[in-house]
Parts: sequence; structure tokens; C-alpha cells
Amino acid sequence: QQQVKQSPQSLIVQKGGISIINCAYENTAFDYFPWYQQFPGKGPALLIAIRPDVSEKKEGRFTISFNKSAKQFSLHIMDSQPGDSATYFCAASLLNYGGSQGNLIFGKGTKLSVKP
Amino acid sequence: SQTIHQWPATLVQPVGSPLSLECTVEGTSNPNLYWYRQAAGRGLQLLFYSIGIDQISSEVPQNLSASRPQDRQFILSSKKLLLSDSGFYLCAWSPSGGHEQFFGPGTRLTVL
Repeated sequence: QQQVKQSPQSLIVQKGGISIINCAYENTAFDYFPWYQQFPGKGPALLIAIRPDVSEKKEGRFTISFNKSAKQFSLHIMDSQPGDSATYFCAASLLNYGGSQGNLIFGKGTKLSVKP
Repeated sequence: SQTIHQWPATLVQPVGSPLSLECTVEGTSNPNLYWYRQAAGRGLQLLFYSIGIDQISSEVPQNLSASRPQDRQFILSSKKLLLSDSGFYLCAWSPSGGHEQFFGPGTRLTVL
């Protein structure tokens, strides 16, 4: 019930292409879905997040698509650039769950390589 | 603006030695604080979280402990390190009652 399943594990995209990473969750009570970007040796950085009352959120080249009925959400990176090469993590949380104060449940990550 | 610091950045310790990693947050008050561990090429494992001073919850039973002696200070400790404690340790904070978590730069721990 608390898992977030992320795919693919790794992804290679040509420069200028679209990168798509998918996540699926089980707990329908989750109410916050962020994506994090992590470069080697650095801490994850919050990239973009969505709540279940909207189906899409766009920030620059990054878009989250959210399908509540399918319990899935995805990250789309348009016009992918070599500088986007990083590991991406999806996550989900429930603000109040047994007093956990919104602890994030993370997917296992996707290593994205954008080839020039 | 808020900033989060972790130190040391890297640490090499022998098996059986003690550990103390420190995390501090600036520019906010009463944050929720978190310790995560990330094994090489793996995801993020939540170790501890804290909603206030001396209020610590453990997610995974292990060789580690956490303390929060001040509102914006979070410490991860061990009395005797194991080889399996090696990894990338990340501290994070979120505003009280908020969802967004912001991570520190991490500490790379190698236990030999």
C-alpha cells in the first residue's frame, strides 16, 4: 500500500528528444507527488510537484502528468539536454498518516542519460 | 531564504568506531527534519524523522540513532560502525505541516 513503483530504471535519450519517466502508486490517499533531480555526489533537488486535484503541471521543459484513476503519474522532459543527465526520483506522501507528518515514499530512481 | 548544511562532506571510518554527522537548517523555525541513507546506485531510505526538539521517530531498526538537541540541529550517531553503514547520508527539512522536502548536500561515509 505504501509503495511507489518507478520505471524505467535507466533511460537514454538523444539531445532534443522527450524523456518520459513513469511512476505508479497504490495508496489512493496520497495527496502530494513530487519529482526530484539528483546529480552524482549531490543531494536531490525538488524539481516539480503536483497535487491530485490537477491532471498536469508544467514548469519550463518539465511537465508532470497525473492520472488519478490509473494511480499513475509521469515526468516529461521536453527538448532534453545533456545537462539533464541525472537520476530522477518520484515520490508520494500523505500529509497526516499515523503522525508521520508527510513522510515521502520514494521510487527507486531512473538514471537518465542525454546523448549529444 | 532557507539553507541546509551537512558536515562533514566525506568521512572514512574503521569498523567499530563511533559516528556523528551533523545537519543544521537556517532561515526557518520549527522545521520537520529527516535523515536518509542512499546506498550506491540505490534509492532513498528514510532512517529518522523529527517534528520537534527531542521528538525523534525511527523508521528502520539499525545500528544508528538520531538526536535533535536544538530546533534546527539534527545529529545522526552510531556507537560502533558496521561495514553495512557505508553510504550517502542525506539530511532534509520541510516546513511544519508542509509537504515539500529540501535536501542537504549529503555526507559520503565509507566504513573500512
